[in-house]
Amino acid sequence: SYVLTQPPSVSVAPGETARITCGGDNIGSSTVHWYQQKPGQAPVLVIYYDSDRPSGIPDRFSGSNSGNTATLTISGVEAGDEADYYCQVWDSSSDQVFGTGTKVTVL
Amino acid sequence: QVHLVESGGGLVNPGGSLRLSCAASGFTFSDYYMTWIRQAPGKGLEWLSYISNSGRIISYADSVKGRLTVSRDNAKKSLHLQMYSLRADDTAVYYCARVESGSSSYYFDHWGQGTLVSVSS
Repeated sequence: SYVLTQPPSVSVAPGETARITCGGDNIGSSTVHWYQQKPGQAPVLVIYYDSDRPSGIPDRFSGSNSGNTATLTISGVEAGDEADYYCQVWDSSSDQVFGTGTKVTVL
Repeated sequence: QVHLVESGGGLVNPGGSLRLSCAASGFTFSDYYMTWIRQAPGKGLEWLSYISNSGRIISYADSVKGRLTVSRDNAKKSLHLQMYSLRADDTAVYYCARVESGSSSYYFDHWGQGTLVSVSS
């Protein structure tokens, strides 16, 4: 089955840039989606098709995908960005796959 | 706006069954694939199943195949998940979500708030 690996945690100071990686075999040939989940809440889509933002998502959130790594970048991090983040792809053998999740802590 | 509300969760004995429902509003339900995703306490997201807008195409994760049945009622704008032979490791919050699909991928653009299923004696 297809595995997506994320770092368990990322810490960043307010105003700095957080980069969350999602590693998978040749993930660059797939399209990657990203979700934000705050404690006690349902996940929210923040990036789809590698780099598109749904309406209402600040342009501080951006995404890229190439080779074996997809990256979610949060620029000018704010306290409200503290959350768990998950990547997701569709894989022909495993169907829908989520990454292991990354907890972003704002220092 | 899009609104999804899950119901039917609760405490169930190991080996028991449970039927979850998801009520949809704010969009044309019959136009969209729908999906179920769960999250065990303190753990990550696990995709379980999706069903096409017509109900004719269904897919399950290998980990739950044979123990789950997904269905929908487009007239009632509702999605269902029948779960059988429940085990302790099925304890989780169960989310329904709307699926957006393109030529190369699927993603989940709106989620319900989830319903908690606890499997314990």
